[in-house]
Amino acid sequence: KAGVTQTPRYLIKTRGQQVTLSCSPISGHRSVSWYQQTPGQGLQFLFEYFSETQRNKGNFPGRFSGRQFSNSRSEMNVSTLELGDSALYLCASSLAAGGPATNEKLFFGSGTQLSVL
Amino acid sequence: AQKITQTQPGMFVQEKEAVTLDCTYDTSDPSYGLFWYKQPSSGEMIFLIYQGSYDQQNATEGRYSLNFQKARKSANLVISASQLGDSAMYFCAMRDFNTNAGKSTFGDGTTLTVKP
Repeated sequence: KAGVTQTPRYLIKTRGQQVTLSCSPISGHRSVSWYQQTPGQGLQFLFEYFSETQRNKGNFPGRFSGRQFSNSRSEMNVSTLELGDSALYLCASSLAAGGPATNEKLFFGSGTQLSVL
Repeated sequence: AQKITQTQPGMFVQEKEAVTLDCTYDTSDPSYGLFWYKQPSSGEMIFLIYQGSYDQQNATEGRYSLNFQKARKSANLVISASQLGDSAMYFCAMRDFNTNAGKSTFGDGTTLTVKP
């Protein structure tokens, strides 16, 4: 079974631009969540999607948005990039039975390393 | 609110010895799950072990075991017989049942270095 695939692997943008990151979950996984990882802030939850609906959102400005398609693939978009958006963006998928659960382990992609100049 | 605390930024262990990585947590939800993930230098996070708040026994997965002390709100990871390939960053994470569907909260991580 193929793992979680994130594209692109590396990205360099300049301030003010926008960027779209893509994530393909493991086949059959219905939940996709996104995390921002920086040396100073650690892993911060961005949002989670289940069956094309955003179920939860972290404390990030509205410049960060996402969506999930009917095939569970997900994209996240960051508009008006700032220097502080430089980070490793990790996507994770889980099987997700549909209701809340505590035992859903996450399967992560290799991440997209975004550098904002 | 959920909170995970990992107080050891870095740890060293000799190959073949055991090591304990600390994790304390805080939540108001009586039902929750605790996880440990490993992140090698390649960047991809790998699930290691899971413990449910109502599980009576400590979880074990091969060389990994979780020392779960509910009253102290701690969920320490024990790695037995360390190997060079265990050198990585380790994250403790939590997932509430009722309050934060779909969200996992992570600690700041512990960098483990295994010495030959």
